[in-house]
Amino acid sequence: ETGVTQSPTHLIKTRGQQVTLRCSSQSGHNTVSWYQQALGQGPQFIFQYYREEENGRGNFPPRFSGLQFPNYSSELNVNALELDDSALYLCASSVSGGTQETQYFGPGTRLLVL
Amino acid sequence: RKEVEQDPGPFNVPEGATVAFNCTYSNSASQSFFWYRQDCRKEPKLLMSVYSSGNEDGRFTAQLNRASQYISLLIRDSKLSDSATYLCVVTDGSGNTGKLIFGQGTTLQVKP
Repeated sequence: ETGVTQSPTHLIKTRGQQVTLRCSSQSGHNTVSWYQQALGQGPQFIFQYYREEENGRGNFPPRFSGLQFPNYSSELNVNALELDDSALYLCASSVSGGTQETQYFGPGTRLLVL
Repeated sequence: RKEVEQDPGPFNVPEGATVAFNCTYSNSASQSFFWYRQDCRKEPKLLMSVYSSGNEDGRFTAQLNRASQYISLLIRDSKLSDSATYLCVVTDGSGNTGKLIFGQGTTLQVKP
């Protein structure tokens, strides 16, 4: 096990609602990255948080937002949910977010939007 | 064009077979390269990093060709437990973040 935890494991929401997903990074890691994985696709980078600030963002609209806390845990918030937001949301932690570092993934949160 | 391209398969092979997966990437500035393994409904797990000199870990061998922007993974003596999706992954070379760019994944089914 990587030591990265996510909650909840599964979630069902309806269109227009808001959702908050949580991630606790591996001990000693100060960087958290979030990815969205649609069925049959590889994960897509949403954004990364390093030292409580956003450190890079993928091609996702502003209704996807995040936070990182002093203990390095992180939240992903999605507003105005759309059907296409249904996916597996993965967080990954690493030591300092550098390009040479290995990222360790949590088990993911499976979101279904109806 | 996708940033990382893989043949999705599926590759159906008998136990003991040797199987090879390939992928190509578009950003010549990418600096780090990996193969991740993902089991059904689970998170991706790092299988191995990939270096220009090639590297081997037991039955698995990975190769990188920077000139052709091509990455390969060879699995020898396939086991039933190797059945999974194999994700080719590169880092984004345009910034400081460790953004990972994933291919679609190649599905391997090893049969008895």
